[in-house]
Amino acid sequence: AQKITQTQPGMFVQEKEAVTLDCTYDTSDQSYGLFWYKQPSSGEMIFLIYQGSYDEQNATEGRYSLNFQKARKSANLVISASQLGDSAMYFCAMRRWSAGNMLTFGGGTRLMVKP
Amino acid sequence: KAGVTQTPRYLIKTRGQQVTLSCSPISGHRSVSWYQQTPGQGLQFLFEYFSETQRNKGNFPGRFSGRQFSNSRSEMNVSTLELGDSALYLCASSLDGSVNQPQHFGDGTRLSIL
Repeated sequence: AQKITQTQPGMFVQEKEAVTLDCTYDTSDQSYGLFWYKQPSSGEMIFLIYQGSYDEQNATEGRYSLNFQKARKSANLVISASQLGDSAMYFCAMRRWSAGNMLTFGGGTRLMVKP
Repeated sequence: KAGVTQTPRYLIKTRGQQVTLSCSPISGHRSVSWYQQTPGQGLQFLFEYFSETQRNKGNFPGRFSGRQFSNSRSEMNVSTLELGDSALYLCASSLDGSVNQPQHFGDGTRLSIL
């Protein structure tokens, strides 16, 4: 079965520090995409960053970067210079080419930024 | 560019009733997917529509159905509501559903069953 695992249910980080949110995945597909989403308490899901299985370089989007280690099947999200507004749930998700346009989500990590 | 719009934002129903949720995708996006989010089960895929056809379906009972119109707007219907259907229902759109395209989500419809 295809699965996404986020082992950190909750994390604290000091404002202005960097934080890494862990994500491991399990798939036998060769072609897949990995996504990170942020969900504030209001409920909307905000797309943050994407990494393709064939991408050789780690993806970066502003303060977000994705530490992609294909052999270890991990796709950790790194947030640099944390801000109070980063406090939210973060979800790692995978889409496999063979499964069509369906995202499989991990259980999420609640990040709390301390002032 | 307007984002994904879901209506209504909140809905309260009683067991046995039926409900219809609406989703307007980002202009130009032809793929619309629906997800259910609950504290116990997390985020689960319901189905995807593309060019008015259901292209993919998750593991939900037949009480959950949907459709897509020619303008790509989509509706989701749940019949014979059960207490366990209480959830946040999220709609997401993407250009054509390619694996490298992110899905952009709406704010969701929070459904409560009494």
